Amino acid sequence: GENVGLHLPTLSVQEGDNSIINCAYSNSASDYFIWYKQESGKGPQFIIDIRSNMDKRQGQRVTVLLNKTVKHLSLQIAATQPGDSAVYFCAENRSAYGGSQGNLIFGKGTKLSVKP
Amino acid sequence: DTGVSQDPRHKITKRGQNVTFRCDPISEHNRLYWYRQTLGQGPEFLTYFQNEAQLEKSRLLSDRFSAERPKGSFSTLEIQRTEQGDSAMYLCASSTSRDRTALAFGSGTRLTVV
Repeated sequence: GENVGLHLPTLSVQEGDNSIINCAYSNSASDYFIWYKQESGKGPQFIIDIRSNMDKRQGQRVTVLLNKTVKHLSLQIAATQPGDSAVYFCAENRSAYGGSQGNLIFGKGTKLSVKP
Repeated sequence: DTGVSQDPRHKITKRGQNVTFRCDPISEHNRLYWYRQTLGQGPEFLTYFQNEAQLEKSRLLSDRFSAERPKGSFSTLEIQRTEQGDSAMYLCASSTSRDRTALAFGSGTRLTVV
């Protein structure tokens, strides 16, 4: 079945700490994953993506890890800042299910709250 | 042109009325998508255009919904005979044709049907 979900619906961290947001997917044939950040009243904003031929990808303060064995994806945010407070979604490309490249399956999201 | 633009930002309408939303994608993007997002949920795919051709439609897109992209640039999404269940954020996104390209989303149109 199609399922991109999240282990924790809410996450509260202290400013300066590292944050880890987790996501599970169900289709082992899925080949492209994206993390989006959504602030209140705004559309999702691209953070980082990863293809299935990679295990890890790093951006500015963010790292995405992909474990294909257990079909698990995580987003690590280093030195979390108040501006990182938002809802974070992982998304799976639906092309593995026969959809188009931009037909994404989103999870429900994790709300990250950063305490100053 | 710095991003995907959507208009209006908010729309309140009475049940049974028709509404139309507009999306202007990033100018060099030939792919355009419509998604719907309800409170507390992730966005759900509705439909996809490559240039002016509508290539994919979700089963969520009932007969009351119609989307167009007549010249391969801006797109409109019309909902006829609105129902309270149509209340949601309607998001537009665009991308290039390059393989596995992340979508750029607009800020959305929030529809409230009363």
